[in-house]
Amino acid sequence: QMQLQESGPGLVKPSQTLSLTCSVSGGSISNGGYYWSWIRQHPGRGLEYIGNIYYSGSTYYNPSLKSRVTISLDTSKNQLSLRLSSVTAADTAVYYCARGLSDRRGYHQFDYWGQGTLVTVSS
Amino acid sequence: DVQMTQSPSTLSASVGDRVTITCRASQSISGYLAWYQHRPGKAPKLLIYEASSLQSGVPSRFSGSESGTGFTLTISSLQPDDFATYYCHQYNHYPWTFGQGTKVEI
Repeated sequence: QMQLQESGPGLVKPSQTLSLTCSVSGGSISNGGYYWSWIRQHPGRGLEYIGNIYYSGSTYYNPSLKSRVTISLDTSKNQLSLRLSSVTAADTAVYYCARGLSDRRGYHQFDYWGQGTLVTVSS
Repeated sequence: DVQMTQSPSTLSASVGDRVTITCRASQSISGYLAWYQHRPGKAPKLLIYEASSLQSGVPSRFSGSESGTGFTLTISSLQPDDFATYYCHQYNHYPWTFGQGTKVEI
């Protein structure tokens, strides 16, 4: 059974770097049939796409966050990571990791998500 | 960015009711639309992909349809487990975008 679990500090100070990990079980992150994403949801608001990574290392970042985001894979630990630098209160959100399907046509829907982790940016 | 306008934001219904949620895209997304169910404290769950394909294991009371840039999620007979928030998601144009969500409440 595929499971994704986000982890990391629940509180980050302004101007610091937010670092989260998503541990994947029940399947390999090196499987070429999938890509891996981070999504966030600000309190009381909708979902915002942060970006994705394929097992080859190819990445996409939302232009609104591109200058501050890094997504990476650790195949030895079967984990993906998110780093968001220079955070402000506007980065307070629940952060989700998700697995999406990939085929020759491109990237598609998310078939598994984590439960999400709340990160608060405050001094 | 593609704007996804989802309605209603809140929906009050009873067990057994037929429920319809709509999502409209600001431009063509070629049917690359998914619907997710999200219960508090749980991981979002994929219900429908490519506008009308039912995800494996999802009850057949859930269905999706498409008409141009408009998309509909229908629950034919609402069950107690279905009280949740539902989101649409377009994956045709970067950045992927989502509807604002529809909370289905008793």
